[in-house]
Amino acid sequence: DTAVSQTPKYLVTQMGNDKSIKCEQNLGHDTMYWYKQDSKKFLKIMFSYNNKELIINETVPNRFSPKSPDKAHLNLHINSLELGDSAVYFCASSQVRTAGNTIYFGEGSWLTVV
Amino acid sequence: QKEVEQNSGPLSVPEGAIASLNCTYSDRGSQSFFWYRQYSGKSPELIMSIYSNGDKEDGRFTAQLNKASQYVSLLIRDSQPSDSATYLCAAGMNSGYSTLTFGKGTMLLVSP
Repeated sequence: DTAVSQTPKYLVTQMGNDKSIKCEQNLGHDTMYWYKQDSKKFLKIMFSYNNKELIINETVPNRFSPKSPDKAHLNLHINSLELGDSAVYFCASSQVRTAGNTIYFGEGSWLTVV
Repeated sequence: QKEVEQNSGPLSVPEGAIASLNCTYSDRGSQSFFWYRQYSGKSPELIMSIYSNGDKEDGRFTAQLNKASQYVSLLIRDSQPSDSATYLCAAGMNSGYSTLTFGKGTMLLVSP
């Protein structure tokens, strides 16, 4: 059983297109995230949702719009794709608690904008 | 700005040696610390977590935390070629909705 699953795994698209990445977790966690990993392997937070509510939005362009229909799903829609959006996008989840906040990652979605 | 600093490497060690990976963090309020391993083309996977000063051992891995120096390390004993990967250090808070801040990772190469 995959704990955090995201689709598609690979996505090649042209500049200007709109695309979505879907994510689901079956861990029962209450918090979900989108991280972006660039070509230099730097992993950076984009968004965080807790129980469907947006908690963190790290100065991401408004072309990126997350949507959480329920606490087990967090989708990412990207409008007007640019070359610089090419990266690996990781969905992740955790259970917010007082003893630490271990984050579990999905397998990643490799986005290439041409 | 919360930052986590790591030497990008690569750190090269022979098989069987001890690999020492280091990390410093800027936010003195950080309370929880994690080491993730990421193989090329794969997602980060949790190796160790540590919350208190001192050492924490798990098999061949030992995490060390020194909050006064804002320093975290990971020791890998009896390094194996399969340990070759990028190791990401992360820091965060214990409570609330804060997320983790990751370092850029240190690439470890273990030669047979």
